[in-house]
Amino acid sequence: AQSVAQPEDQVNVAEGNPLTVKCTYSVSGNPYLFWYVQYPNRGLQFLLKYITGDNLVKGSYGFEAEFNKSQTSFHLKKPSALVSDSALYFCAVRDGDYGGSQGNLIFGKGTKLSVKP
Amino acid sequence: DAGVIQSPRHEVTEMGQEVTLRCKPISGHDYLFWYRQTMMRGLELLIYFNNNVPIDDSGMPEDRFSAKMPNASFSTLKIQPSEPRDSAVYFCASSWLGAGRNEQFFGPGTRLTVL
Repeated sequence: AQSVAQPEDQVNVAEGNPLTVKCTYSVSGNPYLFWYVQYPNRGLQFLLKYITGDNLVKGSYGFEAEFNKSQTSFHLKKPSALVSDSALYFCAVRDGDYGGSQGNLIFGKGTKLSVKP
Repeated sequence: DAGVIQSPRHEVTEMGQEVTLRCKPISGHDYLFWYRQTMMRGLELLIYFNNNVPIDDSGMPEDRFSAKMPNASFSTLKIQPSEPRDSAVYFCASSWLGAGRNEQFFGPGTRLTVL
């Protein structure tokens, strides 16, 4: 069965400091991994994805994520946090080798990022 | 493209009333998803369609919930009768698996309050 874990309910960072939001996953086959951001009273917005290729993936708003197969992780990172990055972040996965349910993503429970000035 | 469109954006109703939420996916997308988000339970997948056919409705909480997709550009989620515990934000999302795309695109959501 596919699953995603976001071990931290909340991450607090000072503006200008680097940030990391953690995600680990479990799939039987090749993982397709995604990060989404949700600002207050908005829908989820796609940030970046890993399907294949370079383990370091760059996305919107200066975010990046590193796929680590041995640790089954896909942590979201940003070198210098902004107050405007404060939001709810979701990691998601699907099994790229699973022929059924091809469109379905399994979402983590979300991590609230708070960036203080 | 206008993105995924949902209506209404806000709905306040009384317990026992029928509620219908509407979604227009992005043109050309062949998957459509309905999610529910609450503080207590987070983001839950209710049902999803592929080419207008329901694929997995195991997340639909009760028989009071039903969803249809009569054509590629329209879907509804109906709750009849509604209960206060149905209060949540309901999101519709769509995606297309062609050309290596997999990400889902979410609508702005419908905030449902059942009194």
